[in-house]
This record gives sequence, structure tokens and C-alpha cells, in this order.
Amino acid sequence: GAVVSQHPSWVICKSGTSVKIECRSLDFQATTMFWYRQFPKQSLMLMATSNEGSKATYEQGVEKDKFLINHASLTLSTLTVTSAHPEDSSFYICSARAPGQGYSPLHFGNGTRLTVT
Amino acid sequence: KNEVEQSPQNLTAQEGEFITINCSYSVGISALHWLQQHPGGGIVSLFMLSSGKKKHGRLIATINIQEKHSSLHITASHPRDSAVYICAAPMEYGNKLVFGAGTILRVKS
Repeated sequence: GAVVSQHPSWVICKSGTSVKIECRSLDFQATTMFWYRQFPKQSLMLMATSNEGSKATYEQGVEKDKFLINHASLTLSTLTVTSAHPEDSSFYICSARAPGQGYSPLHFGNGTRLTVT
Repeated sequence: KNEVEQSPQNLTAQEGEFITINCSYSVGISALHWLQQHPGGGIVSLFMLSSGKKKHGRLIATINIQEKHSSLHITASHPRDSAVYICAAPMEYGNKLVFGAGTILRVKS
């Protein structure tokens, strides 16, 4: 079945540094990938929609200059948290939709737990 | 008010019990997802359904489009079923998912 690989699974970084998270679709081409954030004991919140070859669409309240998204190929989208602060510590997860007719299933990565010290 | 409401928020069951988790939504949808999130955080898509009923092993998902309600059932529950179960629906005519708050399930042996 379709697999989405996310890397790294966890990362600890110092405040002020940048962290890049990769999301790869391993056996299908994903023109659209989604990035979510999940704080402890809360549900997933969509941050942005990543479109291959074009700019990402950010949800209201998400700073596009802080959360840089690049979707340069049909199998890879990256999320870079720039100048990370402790409040950015969260669980980040991506998903991708396999191509197909109509509304096709979503496949999720295993997530990245970011801790900013 | 969240457009996708789940109940119960927490559920503790004894091994072998039949479990039901409910999801009600107010958005118009093309399909509804049931997801399973394990303690490590990884998410598995269990079902995507737009009508009727789907079954996979001990898991059954049903949806009533007219009533805007879906249920996830687990038969013969097992401790390994312990996880957070989340229903999610795409915003009307779009791909963006609206997530329920999740149901924390704990199955005791």
C-alpha cells in the first residue's frame, strides 16, 4: 500500500536554530501534501497545504515566513521551522493523497516530535 | 463549536468488550476518515467511507449521510487496540480535513 515516510522522527534543537522536516511519498506521486501540528492532548491542526511546483497555502494564523514549505518534486515536501522557539515544540505530521479518481485516501507519515530548548 | 464532534472523549474497556465510538459532523462531506493514532504519534488511516459500512478485521465503520453521523466499532477488543481514534471530514468541496478531538481508548486485559 501507499507509504509516506517522514524524517526525522524526533529532533531536539536550540532556540534560534532552524529545523527541516522531510515528508516523502515512497510509492506514489503526491501533487499535494498537508502539514499538521499537534500539541499535547489536542487534535491535529492543519498548518498548510503544500502544492508541487507552487507556493504553499497556509492556514490562518500560521506564519509562512516561520514555517517554510518547499514541494520541489512529486515525492518530497519539506517543512523548515526557522528561528525555532520553545513554543514551537510540538508534534508535526504530514499527509499525502495518492492520485486517483475522485476523493482518494490520505496517507500519513509517522510524525516528527520537535523539542526546542 | 467544532464542525466534527466525537464521543466519548475517553473510553476504558475490558478485553473482549464491544466498543463503539461516535462521530457527528456539520460540514457537507464527500467522505469521512477514521484514523488511529498510537502513543508514539504515528497515524494510520483505518477507513475512508462515504456511505454504508466497511469492515476490516475486527473493525467496522458505518456512516449515515442523512444524519451526518458515523460510528467506529471494535469487536472483541484487545489491549493492542489502545490508541486514540480520530474521525476527520474534509471541508465541503475541499481537501482540508477537519478533525475531531479524538477518543482515547484504553483496553485492559
